[in-house]
Amino acid sequence: QKEVEQNSGPLSVPEGAIASLNCTYSDRGSQSFFWYRQYSGKSPELIMFIYSNGDKEDGRFTAQLNKASQYVSLLIRDSQPSDSATYLCAVNDYKLSFGAGTTVTVRA
Amino acid sequence: GAVVSQHPSWVICKSGTSVKIECRSLDFQATTMFWYRQFPKQSLMLMATSNEGSKATYEQGVEKDKFLINHASLTLSTLTVTSAHPEDSSFYICSAREPPIRTTSYEQYFGPGTRLTVT
Repeated sequence: QKEVEQNSGPLSVPEGAIASLNCTYSDRGSQSFFWYRQYSGKSPELIMFIYSNGDKEDGRFTAQLNKASQYVSLLIRDSQPSDSATYLCAVNDYKLSFGAGTTVTVRA
Repeated sequence: GAVVSQHPSWVICKSGTSVKIECRSLDFQATTMFWYRQFPKQSLMLMATSNEGSKATYEQGVEKDKFLINHASLTLSTLTVTSAHPEDSSFYICSAREPPIRTTSYEQYFGPGTRLTVT
């Protein structure tokens, strides 16, 4: 499987702050990138996907992709306690290759 | 949206027995399904890719004779853990992908997972 690296965290942010998650990938030819959120004991749920360089916004979430640097990030604005979860970065070239995940804790 | 179900949601079995886990796509036809395993505090690891009507493709290090995968229809794939041992205790998650003519995102829809405990 392709290598996908994430900061393992844990990342602790106060409620209302911005949480910034980073991910790098090894295969320069990778085309599509996904961010999943996984609550403890549950399966992953898709937050966003991004294919093109630049930013993509969906509500409080913004994904950023820089293919030249092989870097994809996720920003969570106005973090809420319900955002506390593990966030998985995945490269999707027919098969999903997951990073180890970053655990985020939002402090009320 | 696309829904994938798994059954059972949890199962406890004795060492040496076999366990079958079902994965169904409820509102779409999934030509491809994937099986993952996740140990505590670890990420998902792909075990195998299952294509309807053909043999599954297993990832390196996954024993195909121990983890039997059958994708007999466009809505059902099964994973059978044969001669289960305590080290097989894990969270097993399936995902399903719609045919690429319907989507360009290669998005996978995940089932809720099955927690297997082998005693």
